[in-house]
Parts: sequence; structure tokens; C-alpha cells
Amino acid sequence: KAGVTQTPRYLIKTRGQQVTLSCSPISGHRSVSWYQQTPGQGLQFLFEYFSETQRNKGNFPGRFSGRQFSNSRSEMNVSTLELGDSALYLCASSSSIGTGQETQYFGPGTRLLVL
Amino acid sequence: DAKTTQPNSMESNEEEPVHLPCNHSTISGTDYIHWYRQLPSQGPEYVIHGLTSNVNNRMASLAIAEDRKSSTLILHRATLRDAAVYYCILRDVAGNTDKLIFGTGTRLQVFP
Repeated sequence: KAGVTQTPRYLIKTRGQQVTLSCSPISGHRSVSWYQQTPGQGLQFLFEYFSETQRNKGNFPGRFSGRQFSNSRSEMNVSTLELGDSALYLCASSSSIGTGQETQYFGPGTRLLVL
Repeated sequence: DAKTTQPNSMESNEEEPVHLPCNHSTISGTDYIHWYRQLPSQGPEYVIHGLTSNVNNRMASLAIAEDRKSSTLILHRATLRDAAVYYCILRDVAGNTDKLIFGTGTRLQVFP
């Protein structure tokens, strides 16, 4: 099976712009989660989708949003970009229904630089 | 979410065993102990998980204390490829979520 894919891999934007990142989960996986990784804050949970429904949301401002499509592919959007949004954005998928045991499979990430 | 405490860094020589400790004194009865690692320039990858009993797989072993307040990830023979940040994470089986709460992890350096 192909792994989790994320596009684009690298992105440069300027402050005030918006950005959309895409994630294709492993075939058959219905759960997709997003994380932000920065040197200062480490890995932080953004949100989680299962069957097109947001199941959980992390402590991020409303500028961060996401959605999941019927084919389980997911997108996240960040509006009005700030310098502090520069980070590695990671997507993970699992086959789960949230029992606490499922393995999360991570993509390679999208590295976003905001100038 | 229950918290874990890990040393910031550890060192090992190649082909030696490595024991990575994790303290989780506030663990609940339904929390599974998961370990993930992140190699340089990659996303995290699953290593192993367990509830009460010790667990083994092709990558590592997980030793869980009898009171479950601590656990140890054991790499039996470290290789250069094992140099990574290792994260110990508690996941609540009753939470109906896949959310992972990452701590700061342990950065493992492996020397030839």
C-alpha cells in the first residue's frame, strides 16, 4: 500500500496570505489527523477527522481549519498567515474508530515558510 | 490528558542495547502506552505499544512496570539508523480519538 502523501512538500508564503495543504491517507483509512511541528512548541495536535466529521480540535485559533472529503482525503487551511505559522505540518492516518490502540501512519509533512 | 516525562537526550554506541525510560505516574487504567520515533527530516513512525504486559516486536521491546507508572523502550542492538527522537505517549482507550499528545521526547544519539 502507498503511504500517506502530502502536497505540496514545501511552500513559501507571505504574511496575510492564506494556504491550503492536502493529505491523502493510506487506502482504506478513514481517520486523518493534523499536527504542527515547530522548534519551540514541538509537535502539537491541530485536528482530527473521521468519516468527514471533525472529531477533535486542538488549541489553535480559528484561522486554522480543515475538512475531510468522502474519499477520506483531507485539507487544512490557514488564513491570514503570520510569521509564527512557519512550521512543518504533518498529516497522519489510521483505520481507527478511536480505541486507543490503532497505529497512526504519518506523512512526510509540508514545510511552510511564512515571510 | 495524562503526561509523560522523558530524559531530553541519551547516547549509545552502535550494536549496544539502549533503554529509554518514560515516567507516567498519572496513568489511568485505560491508558495504553505508545512509543513513536521521528527520524531526521521524516514524520513520526510507530514503534510499539502496550497496556500491562511486556511487549516485543521486530523493532523493539516495551517493558512496563507492575504499577504502570513507568515503562522502558528497549532497542536490543542500536544501529546508526536508530538515531531519532523517541516519544512516549499515553492513549486513552475510552477516548474515541486518535489524537496523540507528544511531549518533548528523548533524542537518541548513536555513535559508530
